[in-house]
Amino acid sequence: GESVGLHLPTLSVQEGDNSIINCAYSNSASDYFIWYKQESGKGPQFIIDIRSNMDKRQGQRVTVLLNKTVKHLSLQIAATQPGDSAVYFCAENHTGNMLTFGGGTRLMVKP
Amino acid sequence: EPEVTQTPSHQVTQMGQEVILRCVPISNHLYFYWYRQILGQKVEFLVSFYNNEISEKSEIFDDQFSVERPDGSNFTLKIRSTKLEDSAMYFCASVATSNPGELFFGEGSRLTVL
Repeated sequence: GESVGLHLPTLSVQEGDNSIINCAYSNSASDYFIWYKQESGKGPQFIIDIRSNMDKRQGQRVTVLLNKTVKHLSLQIAATQPGDSAVYFCAENHTGNMLTFGGGTRLMVKP
Repeated sequence: EPEVTQTPSHQVTQMGQEVILRCVPISNHLYFYWYRQILGQKVEFLVSFYNNEISEKSEIFDDQFSVERPDGSNFTLKIRSTKLEDSAMYFCASVATSNPGELFFGEGSRLTVL
């Protein structure tokens, strides 16, 4: 069935290192992808998005890569900081207003 | 910075009782959503609302659920007869445009059904 999923439930990185969070999707009709950050006790927060006509999009310290051939999406965080510790979700939209979220990866930043 | 506010932050209810969760979206936003997250699971879409009507709903949003925008500021989710499996964090979200990705989420209302 159609799904958006994540490879790893937990990622632990050293402060200052780069983080890479991965996501796989199965619906080839998906044309819009979003990464959200969810800190403990809060709602998801938009980080960055990418449309299927792009392979890469950069924001402030974050980069999203989209590989449509293998239906893979990644979020790269440069120089990871303690404030980046959170659960990261990828989400996908292919029709209407509905977003389909992945299962989430917990990023833990070690000082 | 404008934000989406939700009340209550936590509600405990008995199975079969009606629950109303309230949200105040960001004032100039036009599209409103409810999502839910069962503990430890994915965030799931429930319903979207635009121009005073439901524009899309998921299979979860059955006839026990309803939404309403009773005035110019509030957006409510009602569960008529709660079930144990309705226990979850319910997130309200809003967005100014039809782009469904750049949502502003509230901090959520935790519903516990006993």
